[in-house]
Amino acid sequence: QVQLVESGGGVVQPGSSLRLSCAASGFIFSNYAMHWVRQAPGKGLEWVAVTSYDGSSKYYIDSVKGRFTISRDDSKNTLFLHMDSLRAEDTAVYFCAREGADGDFEFFDYWGQGSLVTVSS
Amino acid sequence: SHGLTQAPSVSVAPGKTANISCGGDIVGHTGVHWYQQKPGQVPVLVIFFDSDRPSGIPERFSGSSSGDTATLTITRVEDGDEAVYYCQVWDSRFHHVVFGGGTKLTVL
Repeated sequence: QVQLVESGGGVVQPGSSLRLSCAASGFIFSNYAMHWVRQAPGKGLEWVAVTSYDGSSKYYIDSVKGRFTISRDDSKNTLFLHMDSLRAEDTAVYFCAREGADGDFEFFDYWGQGSLVTVSS
Repeated sequence: SHGLTQAPSVSVAPGKTANISCGGDIVGHTGVHWYQQKPGQVPVLVIFFDSDRPSGIPERFSGSSSGDTATLTITRVEDGDEAVYYCQVWDSRFHHVVFGGGTKLTVL
């Protein structure tokens, strides 16, 4: 069965860096685009970034452009989100999610359990 | 990029039908997808490409789209359907995913 397990969250100070990981299993990871989606406490869902199945295309929400980098290591079936210059407004649960459409970016068919990132002084 | 508008809340009695709407200029020009998120849980895909239902999702859940509004319909509503429902699209013009603000479904 498809499993996505995030790790790497924690409490950091504003301006710090953090790297989230998402270990995938139960499917051919290299065949799928992958996303990061976040949810601030008590708020709605907000998409963060996507990488295509081969890493050739990457897109970000404007508020994280230049600060966050999405990447993947297909040899380890792992998705990453490297976050620099963290701000209080980046505080959220970060979910990795698998792209559900073939050859396109459309929707998320599987989600991880999430990793909480808290940015606070 | 385009926004998606959802009513903050909808209430319905058990056994009745709930209609949850999602409006926006982009609706009708791209597929709309719906997620259910129960308190403390991970979102679950319930409808994709306007009206397709993933395996394991009850037939009580259906979707439609007309003009600039997409609708998630839940028939014979049960207590367990109480959740926040989000609509979502991929905006290919700006290469972004857009979520609606979410609609909290309360079962009376």
